[in-house]
Amino acid sequence: ELKVEQNPLFLSMQEGKNYTIYCNYSTTSDRLYWYRQDPGKSLESLFVLLSNGAVKQEGRLMASLDTKARLSTLHITAAVHDLSATYFCAVEEDDMRFGAGTRLTVKP
Amino acid sequence: NAGVTQTPKFQVLKTGQSMTLQCAQDMNHNSMYWYRQDPGMGLRLIYYSASEGTTDKGEVPNGYNVSRLNKREFSLRLESAAPSQTSVYFCASSYRYKAFFGQGTRLTVV
Repeated sequence: ELKVEQNPLFLSMQEGKNYTIYCNYSTTSDRLYWYRQDPGKSLESLFVLLSNGAVKQEGRLMASLDTKARLSTLHITAAVHDLSATYFCAVEEDDMRFGAGTRLTVKP
Repeated sequence: NAGVTQTPKFQVLKTGQSMTLQCAQDMNHNSMYWYRQDPGMGLRLIYYSASEGTTDKGEVPNGYNVSRLNKREFSLRLESAAPSQTSVYFCASSYRYKAFFGQGTRLTVV
C-alpha cells in the first residue's frame, strides 16, 4: 500500500532563513505533487514533478524529486511571512495519496 | 470558470442521520476523488473514480458510499452518520497530472 511520510510536521522559522521539508514515499511512482493550504481554505497546486531529477522553482520555493530514493524535497529560501501555510506532498499511482502536511510558521 | 463545486459548505448532523455531499466539476475531467481532512492526518482518500461508471475504495471507505452519476458529478453519501465522521471533506478532480480541489465541506456530527 502506498504510504507518504512528510517531515517535519511543524516548522517554525525566522524570516530570512532557509529550510527543507522532506517527503518520503513507499512506491516507485514518478508523479509527485506539492500543495499549499491556508487556514480554512482549499488546496492550491504548487508543483508537479513527473520524472527522476525533476526540479521546479517558483519564487522562494524549489521542489525536487529523486525517484530512486523515493524522496521529494521542498526547499524554502529566505523565508517571508507570506509563506506561512500548511504544505502537503502527494504521490499518484492509481489514486493520489497525501502526506500529513507540514505546518509552516514564519516569524519576523 | 467554476472548477470544482462542493455543496453544502457547512453541515451539522445528528448521529444516525444520513446525507449526501455533492461535487461537480466543469473541466471534463475523468478522475474524481473524495478526501477527508482531520487535524494532523493530512488528507485521506475515501473513494475515487477513474472514469464515469467506475469507483474504487481508498484508504478510509468504511461508512461511506459514492456515486459517479455522470462525468461531471461525484457524490459522497453517509448512510448513518457517526461522530467519527466529523471532518472537512474535499472533492477533487484531475487531468494530466493536475488536481483541482473544491472549497471543502465542514461536517459536524453530534
